Amino acid sequence: AQKITQTQPGMFVQEKEAVTLDCTYDTSDQSYGLFWYKQPSSGEMIFLIYQGSYDEQNATEGRYSLNFQKARKSANLVISASQLGDSAMYFCAMREGRTGGSYIPTFGRGTSLIVHP
Amino acid sequence: NAGVTQTPKFRILKIGQSMTLQCTQDMNHNYMYWYRQDPGMGLKLIYYSVGAGITDKGEVPNGYNVSRSTTEDFPLRLELAAPSQTSVYFCASTSHVGPGELFFGEGSRLTVL
Repeated sequence: AQKITQTQPGMFVQEKEAVTLDCTYDTSDQSYGLFWYKQPSSGEMIFLIYQGSYDEQNATEGRYSLNFQKARKSANLVISASQLGDSAMYFCAMREGRTGGSYIPTFGRGTSLIVHP
Repeated sequence: NAGVTQTPKFRILKIGQSMTLQCTQDMNHNYMYWYRQDPGMGLKLIYYSVGAGITDKGEVPNGYNVSRSTTEDFPLRLELAAPSQTSVYFCASTSHVGPGELFFGEGSRLTVL
């Protein structure tokens, strides 16, 4: 079973509008971390935002916020005021506790976001 | 700050050839990882290491080998290259303290013909 599910292969948004990218996860750990990464067409992977399972507030980083709904096991990324430079692949990832003393991040399949002018 | 450095960025191999992808990080991170990225499949973990001298298999280790003789270096060896190993490879590292966000290399695009 997939641990990270991103159900939207592709999303389109108008410039300056907000967009939500969905992510659901599956874990039985109490302690875990959720991450979003951006991969522009140039190919590099860029860390955007982190949410810990014990964090009560939703994480925010500039125009990025993470809508964390623990009971639903969802960790959606919200991008406000979209810009053309936001066009990229976005990956949700999870780190489950410390298995054998390590972090082993698992990634979803990604969502391609295209921002229209 | 160099961060995570991967070489080479591009390589074409013939079936049956071998090669090593190099990965070096200068952040003194304990944890290092090798992922491969295939279209529409996200990133799959090949091998990881929690420190010098310690390595373990990830989800897709077949056809690959790694070593970790120093904290800084985590090379990935491809033995007897096969077309199924055509992919983009990412090396990443993270600290054992903090949330565990990954710092990635720029990626290596490997084609096996």
